[in-house]
Amino acid sequence: DAKTTQPTSMDCAEGRAANLPCNHSTISGNEYVYWYRQIHSQGPQYIIHGLKNNETNEMASLIITEDRKSSTLILPHATLRDTAVYYCIVILQTSGSRLTFGEGTQLTVNP
Amino acid sequence: DAGVIQSPRHEVTEMGQEVTLRCKPISGHNSLFWYRQTMMRGLELLIYFNNNVPIDDSGMPEDRFSAKMPNASFSTLKIQPSEPRDSAVYFCASSLEVVDGTGAEGQYFGPGTRLTVT
Repeated sequence: DAKTTQPTSMDCAEGRAANLPCNHSTISGNEYVYWYRQIHSQGPQYIIHGLKNNETNEMASLIITEDRKSSTLILPHATLRDTAVYYCIVILQTSGSRLTFGEGTQLTVNP
Repeated sequence: DAGVIQSPRHEVTEMGQEVTLRCKPISGHNSLFWYRQTMMRGLELLIYFNNNVPIDDSGMPEDRFSAKMPNASFSTLKIQPSEPRDSAVYFCASSLEVVDGTGAEGQYFGPGTRLTVT
């Protein structure tokens, strides 16, 4: 699985968009970009995933650069409940892929 | 849907006792995962089932750990005998395997069972 690099921490004002970057320069053609988050004392939560096209769901948008070497997770209107550690993971297109969380980005949404 | 259900949420037991953790995956999902999480080791995959069949159990620490999935709506993870180093949060996750080229769907996690072995 390709290695990912994320900032250690970010702050965002409540109601503003939170843009979380991820670098995955060694990604291969059949690897997908997944985003999860973990709120303190809760289980990890799947957010979104994509291959090369931008994706949007009810939680967030995922923007993947054309060369696929980086991506950005966008929470359009961050709330206090979005405070969590966000993990960017690159894995093959197979179910059963084990999730390995790196350090992730601690996002703090401030009132 | 209620999401992935795990029980118990907390378990405190003494070394040497048997511990059984339970999981009910999301209805319609055909893949189930057991993970454990500690501060030292992070999130570790223990075992993965697909259509109730164990596919990858390479993460199971040793013979003291066993997992079963007798049907599509229930799985157990058993530790016998338990040891203090087994103390961790154990998560069950489920997902729907897709074969249409859109990529495996995300894994949906339960709330976890916090196990403390004294």
